[in-house]
Parts: sequence; C-alpha cells; structure tokens
Amino acid sequence: GIQVEQSPPDLILQEGANSTLRCNFSDSVNNLQWFHQNPWGQLINLFYIPSGTKQNGRLSATTVATERYSLLYISSSQTTDSGVYFCAVEYGDYKLSFGAGTTVTVRA
Amino acid sequence: NAGVTQTPKFQVLKTGQSMTLQCAQDMNHNSMYWYRQDPGMGLRLIYYSASEGTTDKGEVPNGYNVSRLNKREFSLRLESAAPSQTSVYFCASSGRDRLNNEQFFGPGTRLTVL
Repeated sequence: GIQVEQSPPDLILQEGANSTLRCNFSDSVNNLQWFHQNPWGQLINLFYIPSGTKQNGRLSATTVATERYSLLYISSSQTTDSGVYFCAVEYGDYKLSFGAGTTVTVRA
Repeated sequence: NAGVTQTPKFQVLKTGQSMTLQCAQDMNHNSMYWYRQDPGMGLRLIYYSASEGTTDKGEVPNGYNVSRLNKREFSLRLESAAPSQTSVYFCASSGRDRLNNEQFFGPGTRLTVL
C-alpha cells in the first residue's frame, strides 16, 4: 500500500508563531485531505487538495503531486490550533491511507 | 443536517462478547467507511462500502463484519471481541464523485475490551 509520512511528529509553538507541517507519500494518489483532530477526538476537515494551493483563514495548504508531498501552513497560531494534524491520501477505490500525524501544542 | 452519527459513544466489553457499532449519514453519500485509531497512530481502514449493496475489506478486516443496511446506514460487528480490538472506531462517508470524494467523519466510538 501507499506509505504516508508526516513530519515533524511533534511541534511546540508559542502563540502567534508560524509553522509548516509536511506530508510525503510514496506513490501517485488521486487526492489528498488534511484533518485536525481536536482534543475531544473529533476529526475536522481542513483541506481537500489534490494539487495547487488553498487557503482558509490562517491555514493554507499546498500539494505538489508530481513530487509527492503536501505542506500545511499555520500562521499566527492560537491555542485552539492545538491537536493532531493528519494527512490522508486517496488511492485505488476511493480509499484513504493516513499518516501517523503531527501533534501540535500551542502555548499561551 | 447532522452529518455522520455513531452510536454508542463509549462501550466496555468482556473478551468473547459481541456487539454492533452503528453509523448513519444524512448527506446522501454513496460510500461509507469504518476505520480504527490506535494510540499514537493514524486511522486504518477496516471495511468500506462503495455503494449500497456492496462491501469490501480494507487494511485490517480480521475479526470484523459489516452490513450496509441501506444508503444511510453502515454497521460494524464484532462477533467475539478481543483485547486487541480496544480502539477508537470512526465511521466516514463520501460522495464517491471523481471530482470530489471528500470524506467526512463521525465523532467516534471508544471501545475497551477487557
């Protein structure tokens, strides 16, 4: 199956800082999603981004499918940004393969 | 519009007991999925249903069965629970459109098998 690697595994930020999370994948994919898992365990859809760049408020994402990676940018981080960020790639019959996640802690 | 709902939210079982996790979606989606999430890991696909009337194995199907009851509902059954099945279970759905197959997730069921 497709291997999905996320880095870094853990990230500690001071409120107001910017950060970049990376997702590498081992093969061609149909699509890519970014999720935020909040401290209550809920998975929140952030981006559905097969290629190019999208922005949503302080978050933006870029996928370069030909080079098999995607980046998630968090600007002016807030404590509510804390949680685990997952990258998931769509392959085969509309299935998702998840990375292990990046745990983000934003300190006030 | 509730999205994807799951019941129960929490469950404790003894080894060998059986149970069924329920999932329903009100987005008129064609495809539905069951995943499990273990500590420190991403989600892994157990089973999926591409459309009403079909089901297929995912990455970790052993010990589970599924039923696509109708377009809205997709259940996951553990016939004889084992401690290795202690996990958080997520149901998801998607439209199965080549242009947009974004998956949406339910709140999860936290299962402990003693």
